[in-house]
Amino acid sequence: DAKTTQPPSMDCAEGRAANLPCNHSTISGNEYVYWYRQIHSQGPQYIIHGLKNNETNEMASLIITEDRKSSTLILPHATLRDTAVYYCIVAYQKVTFGTGTKLQVIP
Amino acid sequence: GAVVSQHPSRVICKSGTSVKIECRSLDFQATTMFWYRQFPKKSLMLMATSNEGSKATYEQGVEKDKFLINHASLTLSTLTVTSAHPEDSSFYICSARDQAAYGYTFGSGTRLTVV
Repeated sequence: DAKTTQPPSMDCAEGRAANLPCNHSTISGNEYVYWYRQIHSQGPQYIIHGLKNNETNEMASLIITEDRKSSTLILPHATLRDTAVYYCIVAYQKVTFGTGTKLQVIP
Repeated sequence: GAVVSQHPSRVICKSGTSVKIECRSLDFQATTMFWYRQFPKKSLMLMATSNEGSKATYEQGVEKDKFLINHASLTLSTLTVTSAHPEDSSFYICSARDQAAYGYTFGSGTRLTVV
């Protein structure tokens, strides 16, 4: 069973920040939060991951609440190429996918 | 960064034949690899966990005799779909865990069509 809950779809204007929420209320202490995205007919692409601290890389920022029961992926300046299905995953030894959020970036 | 190569990217085979899909970690050693199946407009479904030097662990409902997994080295895992039928047509994706980076890297997927 999926351990995460995400909205099925979101729209974001090009150039604006995209904030994708994820609930993972049953997360265990040793499970990391991972974000991946999948563009049609390709393998999932790694975006970012974290354990309890907020993280930032060249692609995105990850904000994890203090109780670790939810997180938000932030794409600071969305482009049309960011249109994809975004998966939030909690994992320690294996990765199981939920249904993800289909992000549509609008010109 | 870590790279996982998956081959072939597309394959068409006749019913009753077997098809082998390869998954290689190119710049890291992977003691554990994972195999997924994805139907159109659906999420990835974990089929099995492949462990180097030991038997694979299959998820509930996945036929181990239909989907043979071999993980003979630290950089290669193979999935063989035996006696393929049209209902086995799907997008198959592998993943390898990079222990050093605490991350999971995915292959580009294999589109299998059984005719």
